[in-house]
Amino acid sequence: EAQVTQNPRYLITVTGKKLTVTCSQNMNHEYMSWYRQDPGLGLRQIYYSMNVEVTDKGDVPEGYKVSRKEKRNFPLILESPSPNQTSLYFCASRASSGRAKNEQFFGPGTRLTVL
Amino acid sequence: DAKTTQPPSMDCAEGRAANLPCNHSTISGNEYVYWYRQIHSQGPQYIIHGLKNNETNEMASLIITEDRKSSTLILPHATLRDTAVYYCIVRVKYGNKLVFGAGTILRVKS
Repeated sequence: EAQVTQNPRYLITVTGKKLTVTCSQNMNHEYMSWYRQDPGLGLRQIYYSMNVEVTDKGDVPEGYKVSRKEKRNFPLILESPSPNQTSLYFCASRASSGRAKNEQFFGPGTRLTVL
Repeated sequence: DAKTTQPPSMDCAEGRAANLPCNHSTISGNEYVYWYRQIHSQGPQYIIHGLKNNETNEMASLIITEDRKSSTLILPHATLRDTAVYYCIVRVKYGNKLVFGAGTILRVKS
């Protein structure tokens, strides 16, 4: 089944404790991105990647890092999480060619709470 | 990317057509209209997109006015499972990001 998976789905952590949220897709998509969703602010893009080793900042990159060493994986790293990073996070991917290039596939979400 | 305006909420009876409007009066010639929906904090799901012609797929129809300043998403026979937030997004095709507004909360009622 074509899908985007994220782990963990739920995480409660404390300020300053480094964490990584993993994202993996099995559709051989070139393009991947991370969004966060907050009440009243909608979904906002954090980082995106056009292909392996190619990443760029979205609208709200502060406090986050990403890497794209393999095509299928795009982890989101919070080096020193703070309470304002408490949010619902979504990973997404899409193809860069073919019929599917119009459609972004989203993962199920990771609900992060930073105390 | 052009800004969109959608009603905050709509109700629809189960089995009836749900017509969700979207205004995008500042859309430019190379921008497409995309629709996504999000069911209760799940990941957003692609529905349909179009440039200027009307489009139909297995999920919905998209009607775009001739001047392209507005569009309507039609769910022909709404079910309870179609209750979700529907987002109308305007962007350059294959653009690097989707800019989600507040969307329309569609409540399908039995």
